[in-house]
Amino acid sequence: GAVVSQHPSRVICKSGTSVKIECRSLDFQATTMFWYRQFPKQSLMLMATSNEGSKATYEQGVEKDKFLINHASLTLSTLTVTSAHPEDSSFYICSVGGAMNTQYFGPGTRLTVL
Amino acid sequence: AQKITQTQPGMFVQEKEAVTLDCTYDTSDPSYGLFWYKQPSSGEMIFLIYQGSYDQQNATEGRYSLNFQKARKSANLVISASQLGDSAMYFCAMREGGSGNTGKLIFGQGTTLQVKP
Repeated sequence: GAVVSQHPSRVICKSGTSVKIECRSLDFQATTMFWYRQFPKQSLMLMATSNEGSKATYEQGVEKDKFLINHASLTLSTLTVTSAHPEDSSFYICSVGGAMNTQYFGPGTRLTVL
Repeated sequence: AQKITQTQPGMFVQEKEAVTLDCTYDTSDPSYGLFWYKQPSSGEMIFLIYQGSYDQQNATEGRYSLNFQKARKSANLVISASQLGDSAMYFCAMREGGSGNTGKLIFGQGTTLQVKP
């Protein structure tokens, strides 16, 4: 299946700073990637669909100016959490479509905002 | 309304026994896909099995099988011969429409499975 990496795996930052999370598809060219957020003991919630070469599509209730998504190449999508606050602390995970109707997920990034 | 429902917050199973994790879904789209993922404590999401809405046979992948009851809109995961390493959170997910792998996934609430030695 598709191999997906995320960087960093864990980040701690101060309130008000911005954090960039990278999602890379290592062996598959992905025109579409997805960004999810998961709060502790909860399910994954789709935040946005990242489209290579065009604007991301955000889910209802997700602030596009706060969660900036850039999909500049077929192997890289980035999510930037701008002016992060403690309520943004969560597990952020990306996914890439693979062969045979599968979606493969990255290992996730745990963000803690102090 | 919930599109994907997992009614079992937690399940226990004895090692080497089989266990069924429930999942029901709701969609009016004739074309959809159903997925099961395993999430161990490390957080990674591990793809287990996929069932397409037009697939005639139930999907199977090793010890995992999907009991697809289309009329009941259920897609239960059956794990046979449970192992200690199967202890994890399990998520059912649905992709509405879309083409192959490009459609977004909607996840259920998850079921925590604990395998007892």
